[in-house]
Amino acid sequence: DAKTTQPPSMDCAEGRAANLPCNHSTTSGNEYVYWYRQIHSQGPQYIIHGLKNNETNEMASLIITEDRKSSTLILPHATLRDTAVYYCIVSSHSGYALNFGKGTSLLVTP
Amino acid sequence: ETGVTQTPRHLVMGMTNKKSLKCEQHLGHNAMYWYKQSAKKPLELMFVYSLEERVENNSVPSRFSPECPNSSHLFLHLHTLQPEDSALYLCASSHLGAANTGELFFGEGSRLTVL
Repeated sequence: DAKTTQPPSMDCAEGRAANLPCNHSTTSGNEYVYWYRQIHSQGPQYIIHGLKNNETNEMASLIITEDRKSSTLILPHATLRDTAVYYCIVSSHSGYALNFGKGTSLLVTP
Repeated sequence: ETGVTQTPRHLVMGMTNKKSLKCEQHLGHNAMYWYKQSAKKPLELMFVYSLEERVENNSVPSRFSPECPNSSHLFLHLHTLQPEDSALYLCASSHLGAANTGELFFGEGSRLTVL
């Protein structure tokens, strides 16, 4: 699985868009980009995933660059409940499990 | 109940005790996982079971013994643990095979403290 690089922490004002970047320069053609988040002391929660097209669901949008070397998770209107650690993971569907890195600790402030 | 349920949520044990963590999934998945999360560290994959067969064991000490009696249940038997084994133990499940989307569903975790 490709290695990912994320900033260790970010702040965002409540109601504003939170844009969380992720670099994955070694991504191969069959590897998906996954985003999970973990609210303090809870199990991680799936957010979204994509291969090469941008994706949107009720929680977030995922923008993947054309060269697939980086992506951005967008929370369009961040709330205090979005404060969590956000993990960007790159993996193929043939793998058994996802390997989590250190993620980005997002703090949403009033 | 729906989702992935872990019991107990909190466990305190001495180094000579034997205890077990239990995980149950109600999602019809065919793969189950144990992860360990120590304080301020990333999640570490411990074990993977696919169709009740262990398919991955990430160099976990033998004092941790997993058991998967069927596709809905997963146990982690604990024996002669060390204080550094204190952590949040997370269970997850997923589809494997043709239905695999790579999405893991996690339980809330079992917080273990070893005295």
